[in-house]
Amino acid sequence: AQTVTQSQPEMSVQEAETVTLSCTYDTSESDYYLFWYKQPPSRQMILVIRQEAYKQQNATENRFSVNFQKAAKSFSLKISDSQLGDAAMYFCAYRTTHNAGNMLTFGGGTRLMVKP
Amino acid sequence: GAVVSQHPSWVICKSGTSVKIECRSLDFQATTMFWYRQFPKQSLMLMATSNEGSKATYEQGVEKDKFLINHASLTLSTLTVTSAHPEDSSFYICSADKSTRNNEQFFGPGTRLTVL
Repeated sequence: AQTVTQSQPEMSVQEAETVTLSCTYDTSESDYYLFWYKQPPSRQMILVIRQEAYKQQNATENRFSVNFQKAAKSFSLKISDSQLGDAAMYFCAYRTTHNAGNMLTFGGGTRLMVKP
Repeated sequence: GAVVSQHPSWVICKSGTSVKIECRSLDFQATTMFWYRQFPKQSLMLMATSNEGSKATYEQGVEKDKFLINHASLTLSTLTVTSAHPEDSSFYICSADKSTRNNEQFFGPGTRLTVL
């Protein structure tokens, strides 16, 4: 079974600065998907960024980018020019490409606080 | 777009009663939907995978007779908490699988259940 670990329960960043959230995972599969989701106080899950394991290039979405290290099974999220609206819980998630359920496995989450 | 709704957004019920939560994919068909439970300040825990026209697949430790799941159509899955007890109080989130879109799951806004 796959596991996802987020070692930082809480992180804090100054507005306009850069912060990196860590995520590691364990799997025996070679092809899979990795995601970062944001959960603001409203608790609506919002997809931040997605990475396909077969792609070597790191995914980027505006101020959000990932550092995907497949051999190390590491998938960190970098938020540049942090904004107050970035304050939320962030969850790293793994999804197999196999058809059996296609369930998401979530990490424990990191609470990001943004200081004005 | 890919919108998923949940109804109700919150519900309070007495111990011993049953509560039904609906999850709808509004603008796409979802052959697979997922039900998660989230305790305060914790991650999402998968309860079951709901497949249209067939029985749900429950995760280990989830009582299928207590959490009844029905996926009667391609746009609707329901979760019924039977004989609810205070320990069932939690935040319940559904997601729908839009398999044509890079294996992305789309999340509903969640339902807060409080059992008195």
